[in-house]
Amino acid sequence: RKEVEQDPGPFNVPEGATVAFNCTYSNSASQSFFWYRQDCRKEPKLLMSVYSSGNEDGRFTAQLNRASQYISLLIRDSKLSDSATYLCVVNRPGAGSYQLTFGKGTKLSVIP
Amino acid sequence: SAVISQKPSRDICQRGTSLTIQCQVDSQVTMMFWYRQQPGQSLTLIATANQGSEATYESGFVIDKFPISRPNLTFSTLTVSNMSPEDSSIYLCSVTREPRGYTFGSGTRLTVV
Repeated sequence: RKEVEQDPGPFNVPEGATVAFNCTYSNSASQSFFWYRQDCRKEPKLLMSVYSSGNEDGRFTAQLNRASQYISLLIRDSKLSDSATYLCVVNRPGAGSYQLTFGKGTKLSVIP
Repeated sequence: SAVISQKPSRDICQRGTSLTIQCQVDSQVTMMFWYRQQPGQSLTLIATANQGSEATYESGFVIDKFPISRPNLTFSTLTVSNMSPEDSSIYLCSVTREPRGYTFGSGTRLTVV
């Protein structure tokens, strides 16, 4: 099983739609979880951290299910500017927890 | 979050040559990380660069191929040595000043011909 696995997509959705991305991770000892956004030909940028209780930032909601080793990202009321690749990121246990493992990303295209 | 200046932003190099990529951070950081992102792939950690000690390389990456310098707490270089077309990739430096998330440089897009 890959360390971090995501559906590569692409997800093509109309403006205003709600879209959900899923991610699974293999190491049950992982403690930190993130969603990053990467625009075409740009570096990844932190979108949000994912907390055990779930967390929301505007139109974005992240959920963590430790028992299932599953992370999700929900985007409501999609905007054209949300078009990007969304990377699921999990810390690598040990090594001071500073090292991260990245999924391959899920590509989202929001269509007018 | 930290501001990272990475250069060059892109380069086209002949096989067999070497390229040195520089990263400058706007504040002192303990650890800097170097990643590679091959086309259509996720980011893969190459090595962790600590100031005052040798870099720690991940499985599949060796110092002879990817020598790293970390002369102070705001600067690091990664050299891609004896390049082949398989080294064509995006190389990214990153830092974290807290145990949550990274900030990345803008990346170096390398093409080896």
